[in-house]
Amino acid sequence: RKEVEQDPGPFNVPEGATVAFNCTYSNSASQSFFWYRQDCRKEPKLLMSVYSSGNEDGRFTAQLNRASQYISLLIRDSKLSDSATYLCVKENGGFKTIFGAGTRLFVKA
Amino acid sequence: DAMVIQNPRYQVTQFGKPVTLSCSQTLNHNVMYWYQQKSSQAPKLLFHYYDKDFNNEADTPDNFQSRRPNTSFCFLDIRSPGLGDAAMYLCATSRGGGGTGELFFGEGSRLTVL
Repeated sequence: RKEVEQDPGPFNVPEGATVAFNCTYSNSASQSFFWYRQDCRKEPKLLMSVYSSGNEDGRFTAQLNRASQYISLLIRDSKLSDSATYLCVKENGGFKTIFGAGTRLFVKA
Repeated sequence: DAMVIQNPRYQVTQFGKPVTLSCSQTLNHNVMYWYQQKSSQAPKLLFHYYDKDFNNEADTPDNFQSRRPNTSFCFLDIRSPGLGDAAMYLCATSRGGGGTGELFFGEGSRLTVL
């Protein structure tokens, strides 16, 4: 079993839709969690960190559930520019950062 | 301005012909990483340096080596590339201290093996 598992998608949604991604992880030693965004043939870039209390950044909301070992990302009012692959990431400590394979999102006009 | 710079952006080599990929950073970060990413797959951590302290992932093939001569530069050497080594190689940095925090990636070096 992979340490970080994501639904690969693709998710095809119209502009303005709300879309949610989930990610499950194993290894309870995991310390920190992140969502990264990766555009086609580009490098990953940090979208947001994920905290147990939940955190919001504009149209994006991230949530961590340690008991169930999953994290989520909610995107409201989807824009065309949100089309990308969203990578779920966890850090185990010792600078060992594990990426999921990503969920692809296509937002259509 | 780019803060993590990788060269070359595209590298074509022949089966078995050694390749060196370079990475430089202007962030003065303590930690530098090399990831391998194949199409539609997760970036896979190969190794990382905390300052000069080298940490190799257990499943990184011996074919892959790395050097960090100073804080700013890090190199990935692939001694005898095979067809299965064709991938995007991503260099990343982080500040270190108290966990990884944000990773800053270069634009990657795409390796083709003929």
